[in-house]
Amino acid sequence: AQSVTQLDSQVPVFEEAPVELRCNYSSSVSVYLFWYVQYPNQGLQLLLKYLSGSTLVKGINGFEAEFNKSQTSFHLRKPSVHISDTAEYFCAVRGYTGTASKLTFGTGTRLQVTL
Amino acid sequence: GAGVSQSPSNKVTEKGKDVELRCDPISGHTALYWYRQSLGQGLEFLIYFQGNSAPDKSGLPSDRFSAERTGGSVSTLTIQRTQQEDSAVYLCASSFRDRGETQYFGPGTRLLVL
Repeated sequence: AQSVTQLDSQVPVFEEAPVELRCNYSSSVSVYLFWYVQYPNQGLQLLLKYLSGSTLVKGINGFEAEFNKSQTSFHLRKPSVHISDTAEYFCAVRGYTGTASKLTFGTGTRLQVTL
Repeated sequence: GAGVSQSPSNKVTEKGKDVELRCDPISGHTALYWYRQSLGQGLEFLIYFQGNSAPDKSGLPSDRFSAERTGGSVSTLTIQRTQQEDSAVYLCASSFRDRGETQYFGPGTRLLVL
């Protein structure tokens, strides 16, 4: 079984400031890791994913995340946010195949960017 | 189409009625998932289809919920005798099997049970 913890339910930040959204996970098996973004009244859009290899993963819209196996973390970062980044961000994990391939999501972090 | 589509986009129903929600996955994707997003429960897995294998129904909250996938493509999620706690956004996702690390989500069906 897997679980995901997003400790911050809301993160307010000023435009052009850096931001980090935290994600920690727990799993008894190896997992893939994901960050999805959900804009108001829209579905989930993949930001980035970690499958294997380099622990620093770059995604769309200038976001990146670093996989830390020892700390079981996958924090999302952006060096300079824009108003348009205001959205809900979900961290998720899944097993490799079969019934373990279902996504387990965190509770989400609402990023609020202001001027 | 280019992405996962779902219909209807919104559904309002009365308590006790049955509803059907439809999902059209990306062409060629063999895996299909249903999730539910609600204020109290966040995003939760409901059911998973992979090819002709028996579906993983472990996330279905009660026997009022069922789903089928015809011809390995379109899926229908049926909720019988709807209750107010069924109000949520129902999301469908699809992926390639085993190459399918990424699940692509549809826009969802927003269900309101009065």
